[in-house]
Amino acid sequence: QSALTQPASVSGSPGQSITISCTGTSSDVGSYNLVSWYQQHPGKAPKLMIYEGSKRPSGVSNRFSGSKSGNTASLTISGLQAEDEADYYCCSYAGSSTFGRVFGGGTKLTVL
Amino acid sequence: QVQLQESGPGLVKPSETLSLTCTVSGGSVSSGSYYWSWIRQPPGKGLEWIGYIYYSGSTNYNPSLKSRVTISVDTSKNQFSLKLSSVTAADTAVYYCAREGGYCSSTSCSPYFDYWGQGTLVTVSS
Repeated sequence: QSALTQPASVSGSPGQSITISCTGTSSDVGSYNLVSWYQQHPGKAPKLMIYEGSKRPSGVSNRFSGSKSGNTASLTISGLQAEDEADYYCCSYAGSSTFGRVFGGGTKLTVL
Repeated sequence: QVQLQESGPGLVKPSETLSLTCTVSGGSVSSGSYYWSWIRQPPGKGLEWIGYIYYSGSTNYNPSLKSRVTISVDTSKNQFSLKLSSVTAADTAVYYCAREGGYCSSTSCSPYFDYWGQGTLVTVSS
């Protein structure tokens, strides 16, 4: 199972919107599988932000949204705030060859 | 509120076995609704899924680590554990335990990790 592909970095100004992509294959991100997204601040454990592709856990701002098209999932953050600056990871089922889980390489979000 | 806490040595010698335990509070590892997982993160790098265990004892491991990994569960102590054998410097990482929820059917699978431990740094060095 290979890591999912994410951009190494993205940036945006406060109030703007940004989108982070997560590209896999028809075996993992594609098909009927749905990804999850995590936010990680330095020195902290990852925090679940989106699950089952587009659902938000209780307490997560509605500025965070998820979507998917084909083999690419996306995380959009609208109304950027300084506290959104963090690393973001996607995660998917790795497919029926291993039945495992696979993470993306991570994206560093910088709020300018 | 579910809480997970990793424990174990912070320093392991090369070729030896890394052993960590995750203690769960506010929830039960015997719940049939979740898998109990280990995930690691080398310094300055991304997350890597190691594997999971179900309360019944069934497991699934990352193919790249499968030959060296064992995950076990102790329902009486509400704990699950990780053993990684023949470690090298490449195994130096922060190790997290996490609860995996979600659903899997015959046609799709949508797992997610909703609760995480704080992580513990394990350094492999002589």
